Amino acid sequence: AQSVTQPDARVTVSEGASLQLRCKYSYSGTPYLFWYVQYPRQGLQLLLKYYSGDPVVQGVNGFEAEFIKSNSSFHLRKASVHWSDSAVYFCAVSGANNNNAPRFGAGTKLSVKP
Amino acid sequence: GPKVLQIPSHQIIDMGQMVTLNCDPVSNHLYFYWYKQILGQQMEFLVNFYNGKVMEKSKLFKDQFSVERPDGSYFTLKIQPTALEDSAVYFCASSLEGQYYEQYFGPGTRLTVL
Repeated sequence: AQSVTQPDARVTVSEGASLQLRCKYSYSGTPYLFWYVQYPRQGLQLLLKYYSGDPVVQGVNGFEAEFIKSNSSFHLRKASVHWSDSAVYFCAVSGANNNNAPRFGAGTKLSVKP
Repeated sequence: GPKVLQIPSHQIIDMGQMVTLNCDPVSNHLYFYWYKQILGQQMEFLVNFYNGKVMEKSKLFKDQFSVERPDGSYFTLKIQPTALEDSAVYFCASSLEGQYYEQYFGPGTRLTVL
């Protein structure tokens, strides 16, 4: 089955700084890739997704991610973070058939210092 | 946007009792999922349900767990009997047929087993 590694449990950046949250996946087939954000006491909300085509995908609130097949990576980026971006970010990978439900990484807790 | 509801938001029960967690998925969605998240840890896949059947389940989906969605009502996760290690937040998700991998999540039910 597919799996995801998010190597950074916590990341702290200053407001206005750039951000990269790392994600590496393992899947033998064609991956569908996702980033979700989780605010305290809430469910996950989809930030962006990659199915095929342009390897750089744009999401909500200025987030983007780049699929690099050779590196099995799907890192999340933002040019300038805001304090409201503080949350937990999850990377997920799925297969293309309906018995490969999305699997999630351990999450990265982002703290943005004002 | 589309919303998944979960009832109750918090449940406290004694070890050995039965508990049913309820999920009200997005109305036209046909795929349903349960995930388990121990506080501050990874979102772990439990089960994927479609057309009245379990499509896929993980090792965490013990024999004490069962799921059903009778007559288009709530999608439920039943645990009978409960164990201390079942304490976690349980997230329900749903998705469209044809886009099963694009999930919408509920806010979670926090289950505390004493």
